[in-house]
Amino acid sequence: DQQVKQNSPSLSVQEGRISILNCDYTNSMFDYFLWYKKYPAEGPTFLISISSIKDKNEDGRFTVFLNKSAKHLSLHIVPSQPGDSAVYFCAASAYSGTASKLTFGTGTRLQVTL
Amino acid sequence: DAGVIQSPRHEVTEMGQEVTLRCKPISGHNSLFWYRQTMMRGLELLIYFNNNVPIDDSGMPEDRFSAKMPNASFSTLKIQPSEPRDSAVYFCASSYAWGRNEKLFFGSGTQLSVL
Repeated sequence: DQQVKQNSPSLSVQEGRISILNCDYTNSMFDYFLWYKKYPAEGPTFLISISSIKDKNEDGRFTVFLNKSAKHLSLHIVPSQPGDSAVYFCAASAYSGTASKLTFGTGTRLQVTL
Repeated sequence: DAGVIQSPRHEVTEMGQEVTLRCKPISGHNSLFWYRQTMMRGLELLIYFNNNVPIDDSGMPEDRFSAKMPNASFSTLKIQPSEPRDSAVYFCASSYAWGRNEKLFFGSGTQLSVL
């Protein structure tokens, strides 16, 4: 059962516009959420995160919004740039007392066009 | 820092053969994770270690899969015997787990093809 879902496999956005990537989760124990970015032939790299005590976290052009009641988070990229073209993975964790075990979604491929 | 190093980058093998994937985590990190990426399931956690001890192997699909971490700087994921459905990209990741630290550092992955 997929506990973290990214229902849009792909998204195409024009350069300069806003990109909005969505993620839904089902496990109410999740209390920390992250976005990772992946280029071809490379491993995922950490992009931005948010704790469940917040509803928004911003880092430059990237903002993550969390709606706990809807079990939904989104990543906004403004303005979008061609270098943002990549696969974006949403991830969530529930602290176990040892290492944090991340559950990932299936990813959304973002294409930023000129 | 060299980052997480995985080898080989690509592995092509025939069904029934043994496959061994290798990982060197970032020095100083005390947690190591093995993930598998497929189109259908995205990134699935197979197993993770904390201080070289396996903590959760519930994601290991079958007994054909095994993982070891003999010391803090090396881990292996073995598939024996391999099957075509094992074809995927396998990632190793490491982190320094102290309190909440969900920021993982991934290697470049091993692309496994089982014919």
